[in-house]
Amino acid sequence: DGGITQSPKYLFRKEGQNVTLSCEQNLNHDAMYWYRQDPGQGLRLIYYSQIVNDFQKGDIAEGYSVSREKKESFPLTVTSAQKNPTAFYLCASRGQLLNYGYTFGSGTRLTVV
Amino acid sequence: AQSVTQLGSHVSVSEGALVLLRCNYSSSVPPYLFWYVQYPNQGLQLLLKYTTGATLVKGINGFEAEFKKSETSFHLTKPSAHMSDAAEYFCAVSPAQGGSEKLVFGKGTKLTVNP
Repeated sequence: DGGITQSPKYLFRKEGQNVTLSCEQNLNHDAMYWYRQDPGQGLRLIYYSQIVNDFQKGDIAEGYSVSREKKESFPLTVTSAQKNPTAFYLCASRGQLLNYGYTFGSGTRLTVV
Repeated sequence: AQSVTQLGSHVSVSEGALVLLRCNYSSSVPPYLFWYVQYPNQGLQLLLKYTTGATLVKGINGFEAEFKKSETSFHLTKPSAHMSDAAEYFCAVSPAQGGSEKLVFGKGTKLTVNP
């Protein structure tokens, strides 16, 4: 079945470390998105990519980096510059037609220890 | 620019009671409208959507929503709540053509169902 796979499900990071969250899709979707979710704050867009080798900053890009070397993959790196990285991270993708909306992965919960 | 307002960050109903979650949007062009549901520690799942045609849209799990252009609303309803409906619900809007291709999400409404 087609879908989006995020890994790992849970991730623990020590302060000062960079960590990378994986997002892979087999839906042949062009556009991919990363969101951060905190209690009571809804979804906040970190980065998005509409095509391979191109990506744009979202509303809260500081302290994060991404790459889009393959259509299927859109990994997110949480750098040590992100002061409060503990959150639930969601990856999504969208096909060419706007009326299909987004398909979401199951999320990664990142905790700083 | 588009925006979405979900009235009420928390809604509590009794099992068997009507569920009504409110969503109002702002869009300068005809919109596509979506409702997503999120269970704890999971991703978002599409519940239903309005694109064109019939303004009353039926989705999964007995939910439905009505697009009212004159009221710029897309409220989500279910006649009889089940315990399994307890989750967070997000309304989202996208332009039907042109403009940004990104969905704009509301801040979510957490639904509690009491026995």
